[in-house]
Amino acid sequence: AQSVTQLDSHVSVSEGTPVLLRCNYSSSYSPSLFWYVQHPNKGLQLLLKYTSAATLVKGINGFEAEFKKSETSFHLTKPSAHMSDAAEYFCVVILTGGFKTIFGAGTRLFVKA
Amino acid sequence: DARVTQTPRHKVTEMGQEVTMRCQPILGHNTVFWYRQTMMQGLELLAYFRNRAPLDDSGMPKDRFSAEMPDATLATLKIQPSEPRDSAVYFCASGPFGTGLYEQYFGPGTRLTVT
Repeated sequence: AQSVTQLDSHVSVSEGTPVLLRCNYSSSYSPSLFWYVQHPNKGLQLLLKYTSAATLVKGINGFEAEFKKSETSFHLTKPSAHMSDAAEYFCVVILTGGFKTIFGAGTRLFVKA
Repeated sequence: DARVTQTPRHKVTEMGQEVTMRCQPILGHNTVFWYRQTMMQGLELLAYFRNRAPLDDSGMPKDRFSAEMPDATLATLKIQPSEPRDSAVYFCASGPFGTGLYEQYFGPGTRLTVT
């Protein structure tokens, strides 16, 4: 069965320090992997995507993620957190060709001044 | 800047009433999704369409929910009759699905409160 696990429900960092949001997936097929961000009372915005090209993917707002097949991971990182990064982040798997979309439970990022 | 639009943005209704939510996907996108978000369940996929045809609605309570795409510019989600447990934010998303293209673009959501 396919699944997505976000290992932390909450992450708290200080402004200017690195961000690491962890995501592991389980899939029998080569998945397409995404990170989305949701600010309070807003819709979801695409941060970045992996679709079997480069394993290190760069997204918007300085975020990037690395696909590691051997670890079945797709962790999201940012070198320096900004107050505006405080939001909920979702790791998403879309099964290739099937359109079936699986969302992780989300990680809420808090950024302290 | 093309966006998915949803109407209404907020809806308060009484139990037993019919609710219709509308979505206009991004022009040219061939796939439309409906999601429900609650604190308890998180994001749930309710149904999705490709080229206006329903592909999967297994996430939807069949007895009261229905989803349609009357044309390429309009998707609807109906609840009849509504119940308090249907209170949630309902998101529509569209995507240009094709080879290697699986990203989805989300609308702002409809916040439904059933009293």
